[in-house]
Amino acid sequence: RKEVEQDPGPFNVPEGATVAFNCTYSNSASQSFFWYRQDCRKEPKLLMSVYSSGNEDGRFTAQLNRASQYISLLIRDSKLSDSATYLCVVATGFQKLVFGTGTRLLVSP
Amino acid sequence: DADVTQTPRNRITKTGKRIMLECSQTKGHDRMYWYRQDPGLGLRLIYYSFDVKDINKGEISDGYSVSRQAQAKFSLSLESAIPNQTALYFCATSDSGERGGPSEQFFGPGTRLTVL
Repeated sequence: RKEVEQDPGPFNVPEGATVAFNCTYSNSASQSFFWYRQDCRKEPKLLMSVYSSGNEDGRFTAQLNRASQYISLLIRDSKLSDSATYLCVVATGFQKLVFGTGTRLLVSP
Repeated sequence: DADVTQTPRNRITKTGKRIMLECSQTKGHDRMYWYRQDPGLGLRLIYYSFDVKDINKGEISDGYSVSRQAQAKFSLSLESAIPNQTALYFCATSDSGERGGPSEQFFGPGTRLTVL
């Protein structure tokens, strides 16, 4: 079983739609959680950290469920510019990040 | 100017050749990393360094070596390149997070390496 698993997609949604991605992780000792965004042929960039209490940044909401070992990302009012691959990232220990393979999102007009 | 730069951006080489990929950063971070990205496998850690005198193997270090020449420079070498090392290589940096834990990693633009 992979340490971090994501549905690869692609998720095809129209502009304005709400879309949710889930990610599961296998190591119960994992301490920190992140969502990164990667545009085609570009470097990954941090989208948001994921806190136990859940957190929101504009149209983006991240949730963590430690008991079930999954992380979610909700995107409301999707924009064309949201089209990208979203990487779920889990940290176990000091600075060891484990990346999921990513979920691809395509937002169409 | 970019905070994390990588050279070269693209490289095609032949099996058995020695290749060096270079990474420089102006962010003043102590921690630097090398990853490779393959379709369907995601990003995998090759080596990481927490300071100039600290080098650690990552998940897939076989066939690779690194050198931390200065705080700002971290190079990755393929001593004898083979075709299955064809991949997209990323360098990343970070500072030490709260209580030494994880913090945001900043990635360079990547080096696309093809080994024929």
